[in-house]
Amino acid sequence: AQKVTQAQTEISVVEKEDVTLDCVYETRDTTYYLFWYKQPPSGELVFLIRRNSFDEQNEISGRYSWNFQKSTSSFNFTITASQVVDSAVYFCALSEGTGGFKTIFGAGTRLFVKA
Amino acid sequence: NAGVTQTPKFRVLKTGQSMTLLCAQDMNHEYMYWYRQDPGMGLRLIHYSVGEGTTAKGEVPDGYNVSRLKKQNFLLGLESAAPSQTSVYFCASRRIRGPNTGELFFGEGSRLTVL
Repeated sequence: AQKVTQAQTEISVVEKEDVTLDCVYETRDTTYYLFWYKQPPSGELVFLIRRNSFDEQNEISGRYSWNFQKSTSSFNFTITASQVVDSAVYFCALSEGTGGFKTIFGAGTRLFVKA
Repeated sequence: NAGVTQTPKFRVLKTGQSMTLLCAQDMNHEYMYWYRQDPGMGLRLIHYSVGEGTTAKGEVPDGYNVSRLKKQNFLLGLESAAPSQTSVYFCASRRIRGPNTGELFFGEGSRLTVL
């Protein structure tokens, strides 16, 4: 069975601080996909990144970076020099490759960035 | 581009009433999903569909029914609404091949209150 755990319920930082959001997943599949989505206060869900299980390269996109480690079943998300506009709920998600029909989400981490 | 459209956006029901949420997508996606979002619980999968005429249960299917009579539409029904079904409901769709396969495209959400 697949499972995604985001142990941090809420994180509060001051603007310009770096912050890391943790994501730990469980799956029996060798082929799977991991995702991060952002939900700003306006409520819509915004896709940030997809990673497949065969690609452990870390990725950087502007102030965002993702660290995928199969050995620890983790897919952590770091925001460098956080800004107030980064305040949102962030969800980690997992889709198993075999069939891959279902995408399961973690409970989310609410990030507050204070000016 | 409309993307994924949910109707209605808001609804208040009394316990025992029935209603249907409509999801329509114009991207010719094969897969469609219904999630519910509750505080502290992230997004939980209710039902999903991998093609016209097919549906399957997700994590929390009880109390809901779905139908996918047309590829572009996915309906979520509540036969006898209960206060526990007060939630924000999100519909999503995804393609099965091509760039960023697996990325979910979400509707804006439907806020349902059951009194």
